[in-house]
Amino acid sequence: QVQLVQSGAEVKKPGASVKVSCKASGYTFTNYYVHWVRQAPGHGLEWMGEINPSDGYTSYAQKLQGRVTMARDTSTSTVYMVLSSLRSEDTAVYYCARSYYGSGSPIDFWGQGTLVTVSS
Amino acid sequence: QPVLTQSSSASASLGSSVKLTCTLSSGHSIYIIAWHQQRPGKAPRYLMKLETTGSYNKGSGVPDRFSGSSSGADRYLTISHLQSEDEAYYYCETWDSNIRVFGGGTKLTVL
Repeated sequence: QVQLVQSGAEVKKPGASVKVSCKASGYTFTNYYVHWVRQAPGHGLEWMGEINPSDGYTSYAQKLQGRVTMARDTSTSTVYMVLSSLRSEDTAVYYCARSYYGSGSPIDFWGQGTLVTVSS
Repeated sequence: QPVLTQSSSASASLGSSVKLTCTLSSGHSIYIIAWHQQRPGKAPRYLMKLETTGSYNKGSGVPDRFSGSSSGADRYLTISHLQSEDEAYYYCETWDSNIRVFGGGTKLTVL
């Protein structure tokens, strides 16, 4: 069965960086984009960006340009998201999710989420 | 880029039906959307992809009680025979040129 298994919760200080991983299984890794979506406490879903595991091409939300980096390791079917220069407003649950590589494809599966807390 | 507008809250009685709305911004009325459900403390769950025509494709395991429809720029999610487990946030999603957009979400309360 399809699984997206994320790394565990993190606590970081302001100004630091955080790296969250998302390991895919149960499907052909290179056939699906992987997205990162975050949700601050009591707020809705915010799309952060996506990566094409086939060629590593990325697209980031304009708001996070320069602070977010996504990468993939095809040997382990794992996608990584690094968010730098953390601030308190980055405290959120971070989700990875997939969508089929092709036009008109919605997100059709979500990871379990990773809580990132930014606090001094 | 498209903007999705959802009512912040809705309520309906156990066993009844409810219709949630997601409205696409001007100039984007033909966009395809998807609906996702998020129960308290859980990750979102994909429900369905909904076309401009009203045709929809549901995710694996989504009950028959969930259906979709469209009218102009409005995209609807109808839940029939409401159960307590349907109490959740419902988000719509759309996409355009390597960006994704979510609506603000509707909190559904089952009375």
